Amino acid sequence: DAGVIQSPRHEVTEMGQEVTLRCKPISGHNSLFWYRQTMMRGLELLIYFNNNVPIDDSGMPEDRFSAKMPNASFSTLKIQPSEPRDSAVYFCASRMNTEAFFGQGTRLTVV
Amino acid sequence: GENVEQHPSTLSVQEGDSAVIKCTYSDSASNYFPWYKQELGKRPQLIIDIRSNVGEKKDQRIAVTLNKTAKHFSLHITETQPEDSAVYFCAAPQWAAGNKLTFGGGTRVLVKP
Repeated sequence: DAGVIQSPRHEVTEMGQEVTLRCKPISGHNSLFWYRQTMMRGLELLIYFNNNVPIDDSGMPEDRFSAKMPNASFSTLKIQPSEPRDSAVYFCASRMNTEAFFGQGTRLTVV
Repeated sequence: GENVEQHPSTLSVQEGDSAVIKCTYSDSASNYFPWYKQELGKRPQLIIDIRSNVGEKKDQRIAVTLNKTAKHFSLHITETQPEDSAVYFCAAPQWAAGNKLTFGGGTRVLVKP
């Protein structure tokens, strides 16, 4: 397995634009997590899914953020409209029972 | 919900010395405690974990200890080397919330040669 795959690796966009981050979890994993990492706030859990169902989205900062998991092999995190304070590294992780495996992350810069 | 506190936030040690990072958690139902290492510009990766049915686990120069009564667990790195310099995260799952994994705030470890 290639591990958790995220795309794009880097994204630079202008304020106000829509941004979509993508994640392909490891096959067979039933939990998927979206994290945001910044120097100031560390590793924040935004939302997580169990068996494609959103369980806890209390970490989503505001309505501009949305996430979907239409099937077991794909998830998206969308920011619309984007703002400079959304600049961060966004990680997707998946797990089956114990260890969580992280993707390479998407470095988002909103200018 | 689960609250995971990690200390210290930064740690500077001389090469060859030991480093200890501590975490506390709040959910008494938690029974799995992983530690992740994140090198600069890379993703967090699991380095060691412990389950609640054991008190200590060791893997070469790293070890983790768990005190379930006090609800804290620690990472110990002995004979530190420059390549140990990284950010380390502890985590604890909230089983009652469907396996939610909450991370501590991270510890930036710098090993000085």
